[in-house]
Amino acid sequence: QSVLTQPPSVSGAPGQRVTISCTGSSSNIGAGYDVHWYQQLPGTAPKLLIYGNSNRPSGVPDRFSGSKSGTSASLAITGLQAEDEADYYCQSYDSSLSGSKVVFGGGTKLTVL
Amino acid sequence: QVQLVQSGAEVKKPGSSVKVSCKASGGTFSSYAISWVRQAPGQGLEWMGGIIPIFGTANYAQKFQGRVTITADESTSTAYMELSSLRSEDTAVYYCARWVAGSSTNYFDYWGQGTLVTVSS
Repeated sequence: QSVLTQPPSVSGAPGQRVTISCTGSSSNIGAGYDVHWYQQLPGTAPKLLIYGNSNRPSGVPDRFSGSKSGTSASLAITGLQAEDEADYYCQSYDSSLSGSKVVFGGGTKLTVL
Repeated sequence: QVQLVQSGAEVKKPGSSVKVSCKASGGTFSSYAISWVRQAPGQGLEWMGGIIPIFGTANYAQKFQGRVTITADESTSTAYMELSSLRSEDTAVYYCARWVAGSSTNYFDYWGQGTLVTVSS
């Protein structure tokens, strides 16, 4: 069971907009820790998509955007393309009495219809 | 441009240990941190721990404390992850990643290609 909660799957037609949610708690996202997003194409290593809640690394299209509010964050993808079909993971940091650690969401599979 | 190249796939017996390497090029190895993240077949990502080579001390996820050892050799720009007392549930792809760690932000901007470790009798 992941510390951060994501929907198992989302889908959309080419050209549409989809969003993927990431819900945490007061010990991670709600504590002020940044949220980051990764894209994992089948059989490949994860790739950093969004860092620091809403920043895109060089080379990531501006169709991808991130936001954070309270104990949750969201990844939005506009102008959906077939090549966007992949697994998406959110990631943050968690600090509690039981210790501190990097935490991931369970991942969301995006299907382009 | 940072590149991380990992060692090849391993097949191990239950109860044994495995040591995976991650050789870095580009950038200054001693100035950044390396983390290890694993992914069981069909499952999500799980952080195991990380190390800042210049300090030489590692942080481990509580789940792996006592079973995992992460080290770094600055002379060869290589990080290592050793996992002991292997069981079938440790079958996974193990990734190294450059870890950008700050007071409120921790993320991974470069990843190795992954190393499949299969634990089977």
